[in-house]
Amino acid sequence: GDSVTQMEGPVTLSEEAFLTINCTYTATGYPSLFWYVQYPGEGLQLLLKATKADDKGSNKGFEATYRKETTSFHLEKGSVQVSDSAVYFCALRKGNQGGKLIFGQGTELSVKP
Amino acid sequence: ETGVTQTPRHLVMGMTNKKSLKCEQHLGHNAMYWYKQSAKKPLELMFVYSLEERVENNSVPSRFSPECPNSSHLFLHLHTLQPEDSALYLCASSAGRTGGSYGYTFGSGTRLTVV
Repeated sequence: GDSVTQMEGPVTLSEEAFLTINCTYTATGYPSLFWYVQYPGEGLQLLLKATKADDKGSNKGFEATYRKETTSFHLEKGSVQVSDSAVYFCALRKGNQGGKLIFGQGTELSVKP
Repeated sequence: ETGVTQTPRHLVMGMTNKKSLKCEQHLGHNAMYWYKQSAKKPLELMFVYSLEERVENNSVPSRFSPECPNSSHLFLHLHTLQPEDSALYLCASSAGRTGGSYGYTFGSGTRLTVV
């Protein structure tokens, strides 16, 4: 079945460091891909999305490119801040019948001053 | 404010109590979802409602009983819970159950503790 795999956390970085959180997926057809962020004590918020191959989603300095050839959607940010500390979830969704949002296991990011 | 409102934010209940979680959205979405998020575990999809009809129930114990009286409201009725049911319960909605390019909008969750 369809699935999403994220790199293990926690990831600990210093402020202004470069961030990459790896995400790969397994799915038939052409899913849309998403990154969600969950700040402490909160629900999940949509961070960015891409709906077709080679699309780049971006928001708040974060970027991810839909790579069909490598079935990947890695999240990147050039300079992280302490306020970026959160759990990040990669997810996919297909448009066919019963198209559920399928999540990866989440990657915790901790940014130190 | 995310557009999906969950109440209460925190709930402590005994194993013999009956309580309900409430979720409300006014985004015009027609699909709603309940998720369970436990520490160190992946998100678990519990129930899916589309156009007020339950379309999915992922082997959830009967002590959890969902209700969707209209497209804007979703409830999760709880009774005789166990301590392992303590978790963050998240509600979400989406514009279409089969709309692949649409993500879900989540509420802030209810932190449930069963004592």
